[in-house]
Amino acid sequence: QVQLVESGGGGVQPGTSLRVSCAASGFDFSQHGMYWVRQAPGKGLEWMAVIWSGGNPQFYADSVRGRFTISRDNSKSTVYLQLNSLGVDDTAVYYCARSFCAGDCHLDYWGQGTLVTVSS
Amino acid sequence: IQMTQSPSSLSASVGDRVTITCRASQDISNSLAWYQHKPGEAPKLLIYATSRLESGVPSRFSGTGSGTHHTLTISSLQPEDFATYYCQHYYSTPQTFGQGTRVEI
Repeated sequence: QVQLVESGGGGVQPGTSLRVSCAASGFDFSQHGMYWVRQAPGKGLEWMAVIWSGGNPQFYADSVRGRFTISRDNSKSTVYLQLNSLGVDDTAVYYCARSFCAGDCHLDYWGQGTLVTVSS
Repeated sequence: IQMTQSPSSLSASVGDRVTITCRASQDISNSLAWYQHKPGEAPKLLIYATSRLESGVPSRFSGTGSGTHHTLTISSLQPEDFATYYCQHYYSTPQTFGQGTRVEI
């Protein structure tokens, strides 16, 4: 069955960087786009970024463009999100999700998330 | 594209019919999905393409709409339906979510 397992979260100080990962299994990873979505404490879901199956193109939310970078390694069935210049507002659970395309492409399977806490 | 979801929360009883509305700031055709999210769990896809039920999702969930106005209906609310529900458009990037509707039993 489809499994997505995020890792790499933790506590960091403002201004620093962190890379979170999402290991996929149970499907042909190289054939699917992948997303990152986050949820700040007490807030709703916020769409972050998407990367298509071959690695290009990538698209970002305005709030993170230029600071966050999405990438993937199809040989490892893993998608990454590099988080730079972190601020306290970046504190959130970060989820990865798979893209399923049937005409349009939507998110179908999600991971359980990894918590990133930015605090001094 | 902004997604405005209403209500932000509701209280209902088991067996009630519940309707949640999502309005897009521009025409998104039928490029809309609904998700259920319970605390500590992964969000779960319920409906995509406005009205197509994801495999394994109970038939009490249904979606309608087109253009800018979309709705999620739970025909007979069950205790396990306590959760927060989100709409999301995927018409273009960024694929924004609504603010969420918390359903309390």
